[in-house]
Order: sequence, then structure tokens, then C-alpha cells
Amino acid sequence: AQSVTQLDSQVPVFEEAPVELRCNYSSSVSVYLFWYVQYPNQGLQLLLKYLSGSTLVKSINGFEAEFNKSQTSFHLRKPSVHISDTAEYFCAVSDRGSQGNLIFGKGTKLSVKP
Amino acid sequence: DAMVIQNPRYQVTQFGKPVTLSCSQTLNHNVMYWYQQKSSQAPKLLFHYYDKDFNNEADTPDNFQSRRPNTSFCFLDIRSPGLGDAAMYLCATSKPAGVAGLNTEAFFGQGTRLTVV
Repeated sequence: AQSVTQLDSQVPVFEEAPVELRCNYSSSVSVYLFWYVQYPNQGLQLLLKYLSGSTLVKSINGFEAEFNKSQTSFHLRKPSVHISDTAEYFCAVSDRGSQGNLIFGKGTKLSVKP
Repeated sequence: DAMVIQNPRYQVTQFGKPVTLSCSQTLNHNVMYWYQQKSSQAPKLLFHYYDKDFNNEADTPDNFQSRRPNTSFCFLDIRSPGLGDAAMYLCATSKPAGVAGLNTEAFFGQGTRLTVV
């Protein structure tokens, strides 16, 4: 069985500050790892994912995450956040099958203040 | 350009009155999923279809059913909605594992927010 832990339910930061959203996972098998973003009353949008290869993955809007197998972590970082990054962020895992069969963490609400 | 479309975006239903939520896709993906997301909680997989093969999660209540008449459409039926079924329902699609290699990313619709009164 797999599980995902997002320790921080809410993270308030000021605009242009760096941010890290933490994600740890537990699994007895190799997994794929994902970060999804959800804006209010919207569906889920894939932000970035780790499937294989380089352990550092990046999104087009400045977010990055690093897969750390020894620490079973996949923390999300951004060096300078914008007001528009305010949203809820979900970390998720899937087994190495279809990427739609996802186990999600409870989410972290990122609030960026001016 | 929407690839996974859920209708309606907002649905209000009466306690105990059957309700159906709709999902359609233009991606021609074999696999379609339904997730339930209660307020301030993580999305939780209810079931999925691989083509016409239905796969129910072990803890999905019997009150929830699904139909997939063709590749493009999938429906979520709630036979007797209770107050505890109020949630955002998310539909997603993907290619199947094995066939598509690493190209099995899931695409989500905008969701239907269900209110039970």
C-alpha cells in the first residue's frame, strides 16, 4: 500500500519570497511522483512529475521538485512566488502503471500575500 | 480545447434523489476515472474503467455506480445521495499502462461540485 504525507496544511508567504512545500511518501514498490495544483472550484492541473531519470524536475512556471529516494521525499520549491501562485497543492503517487490511479496527500494551501 | 469535460459544473440535488454526473473526453483514452474530493480533503479514487472493464475501489460505497456507454463518455450515478456525499467529483482519463510506456499522464476535468439539500 502507498501513502502520501503533506505535513503543512497551510503555508503563508510574502510575494517574491522562496517557498518549500513538503511531501513524503511510503510505498513497498517503486512509484511515480506528482505535484498537482488546484485553484478554487477548479479541477486538478499537473504541475510536474517524476517518472525516471533526473531526480530534479521543473515546471514551466518556476517550480521544481527533487525526488530523494533515501528520504522518500518529493518536496516542491519555488525561489520567488507570485500572488498568482496562491492555490492548493497536492502531492500524489502512483504505482508504475497508469498514472491516473493516484494516491493523494491531504494538500497544502499556499497563500501568497503582497 | 477542453479535453475532459464535466457537466454540469455545479449540481444541486435533494437528499435521497438519484443524480447523475457526466464526463466526456476528446482524447480517446482507454481509461477513465472518478474521484471524490470532500471539502478540505484529498481526492479519493472511487472507481475506474479500462475500456468496458469496471474496477471498483474496495471502500467505495454501493450507493455509487458508474456507466461507460462508449469510449468518450462516462457517468457517475449516486442512487440515494446523502448529506455526506456533498463533494467535488473529478473525472480523469489516461492511456493504459503497458501499452503507452511512460506516456500515461492523467488529464482531469474541471469537476462537478455536488450539493445535497
